[in-house]
Amino acid sequence: GAVVSQHPSWVICKSGTSVKIECRSLDFQATTMFWYRQFPKQSLMLMATSNEGSKATYEQGVEKDKFLINHASLTLSTLTVTSAHPEDSSFYICGATGYGYTFGSGTRLTVV
Amino acid sequence: AQTVTQSQPEMSVQEAETVTLSCTYDTSENNYYLFWYKQPPSRQMILVIRQEAYKQQNATENRFSVNFQKAAKSFSLKISDSQLGDTAMYFCAFIPIPASKIIFGSGTRLSIRP
Repeated sequence: GAVVSQHPSWVICKSGTSVKIECRSLDFQATTMFWYRQFPKQSLMLMATSNEGSKATYEQGVEKDKFLINHASLTLSTLTVTSAHPEDSSFYICGATGYGYTFGSGTRLTVV
Repeated sequence: AQTVTQSQPEMSVQEAETVTLSCTYDTSENNYYLFWYKQPPSRQMILVIRQEAYKQQNATENRFSVNFQKAAKSFSLKISDSQLGDTAMYFCAFIPIPASKIIFGSGTRLSIRP
């Protein structure tokens, strides 16, 4: 079946630094990848949609300069949280279409 | 606008009982997919069951079945013979065809008591 690998599963970083999260489709080519953020006890909030080779489409209210998304190939999308602050601490999860709809295992980001 | 509504924030049942989680959605699309995802404490999103809107027959996966009422835009999930491992957040979700972004409901926290 379709597998999406997301790394790292958890990361702690200092305030002001940047952190990169990778999302890879392992056995299929992901036409489109999605990035979600999830606050405790809440649903998934779509941040942006990325298509291979083109700029990501961000949802309203999401800062594109803070959350940089790169979709360089049909199997890899990255989310970089730039100049991270404690309020960016959250659970981030990617999803991919191309073979149904499959999610990565998520990344817990803690900014201290 | 396309929306998915889950009206039950929390539910709790005894092990081996049957439980039904409700979901309604709003769309003007005729073709779409509906999903139920399970999110256990590990926070991995696990697909429970999927329904194509053009199919009248309700989807079934072992102990999990849906009641899909297209005209009423209702998509409930029934879990039979509930098990402790069913304890999780359950999200109802919708994707229009051709596939674009998935729209989630707010979730239902299900607890199975021993």
